[in-house]
Amino acid sequence: GAVVSQHPSWVICKSGTSVKIECRSLDFQATTMFWYRQFPKQSLMLMATSNEGSKATYEQGVEKDKFLINHASLTLSTLTVTSAHPEDSSFYICSAPPRTQGYNEQFFGPGTRLTVL
Amino acid sequence: DAKTTQPTSMDCAEGRAANLPCNHSTISGNEYVYWYRQIHSQGPQYIIHGLKNNETNEMASLIITEDRKSSTLILPHATLRDTAVYYCIVRPPNEKLTFGTGTRLTIIP
Repeated sequence: GAVVSQHPSWVICKSGTSVKIECRSLDFQATTMFWYRQFPKQSLMLMATSNEGSKATYEQGVEKDKFLINHASLTLSTLTVTSAHPEDSSFYICSAPPRTQGYNEQFFGPGTRLTVL
Repeated sequence: DAKTTQPTSMDCAEGRAANLPCNHSTISGNEYVYWYRQIHSQGPQYIIHGLKNNETNEMASLIITEDRKSSTLILPHATLRDTAVYYCIVRPPNEKLTFGTGTRLTIIP
């Protein structure tokens, strides 16, 4: 199957700083990527849809000014957590459907564990 | 409102078939049944999906009832590496994936 990578795999930062997480599709192009967040012992919650060349679409309750998404190319989307606080500590996961297949098949990255001190 | 209902947890002996049920009584005609799994601290992994007919691939089989109100994922010979949370998801084509709480499957040596 297709490969999606994330970088970094884990990050620890101080409260008030910003953290950038990258999501790359390694062997296919993706006009759309999805960002999820997962708190311990909970399921994945969709945060936003990243669209190449246009603004991201955020799910209800997700602050777009806090979680900045940029989808600058067909293989890269970035999520920046601005002014991070301890409650933002979570497992962040991206997914991407190959451009040729609509949303019918999605491949997930390995996740990024963010810890805010 | 959940579109699917799955048992919270299940155990299965190593080497036996693991049968994971999913109820989706309100499924619409154009909605597919997808199965993903998530091994601890990793991203979800696609397993299989189907619309009406039973499906089989190298990982698993998907059995969908004739009325499409429920389905069963079958892992034919479970190994310890199959221990994971299994998510049954119902959605129309080209819609976003929405995860429920899933079934925590533990394979017992």
